[in-house]
Amino acid sequence: SQTIHQWPATLVQPVGSPLSLECTVEGTSNPNLYWYRQAAGRGLQLLFYSVGIGQISSEVPQNLSASRPQDRQFILSSKKLLLSDSGFYLCAWRVPVWAGAGEQYFGPGTRLTVT
Amino acid sequence: GENVEQHPSTLSVQEGDSAVIKCTYSDSASNYFPWYKQELGKRPQLIIDIRSNVGEKKDQRIAVTLNKTAKHFSLHITETQPEDSAVYFCAASYSRSGNQFYFGTGTSLTVIP
Repeated sequence: SQTIHQWPATLVQPVGSPLSLECTVEGTSNPNLYWYRQAAGRGLQLLFYSVGIGQISSEVPQNLSASRPQDRQFILSSKKLLLSDSGFYLCAWRVPVWAGAGEQYFGPGTRLTVT
Repeated sequence: GENVEQHPSTLSVQEGDSAVIKCTYSDSASNYFPWYKQELGKRPQLIIDIRSNVGEKKDQRIAVTLNKTAKHFSLHITETQPEDSAVYFCAASYSRSGNQFYFGTGTSLTVIP
């Protein structure tokens, strides 16, 4: 069966510090991968998605970036965090359309607090 | 890109009553419409979904209807229970390029015992 991991689970970082969140998927190949941010009490904002290694699409201009160095690894980064970067970061995967895409499966999330 | 609107933002119902949440979308190319339930501090989990070639789908107390012409879809929960209390998100997805997935802003449902 497929599983999705995210780490760390929680993170407290000062403003201006760098960020690296990691997401890995097991039990599937060629997944579509997604990064979302959820501010407290708010909806899901799509940040990045990837359909393959090295292929990243950005939905919202910001000081965050994403990379996909391996098929089942998705990394969210920032060089300098802002207070507004605080939130609940969710990674998700989905079977590609050509394989019969359906629901997205979410990871457990990383709760980031920027102080 | 796609724009998904969801209403209402909050909803309170008495236990046993029905709850209806509505979403509209803008891109006629969208062809997959899931509904997710998110409990406090947890990840969203799929509760039901519908594809554009189907008008209605039901799973026990939960049903989803889709009107492609009007570009709206709705979640119906019957015989609500306190454990149905959560935030519900609708989403729309299309496969034109990149498999984007767009979520509504969420509905906080409270079922009053």
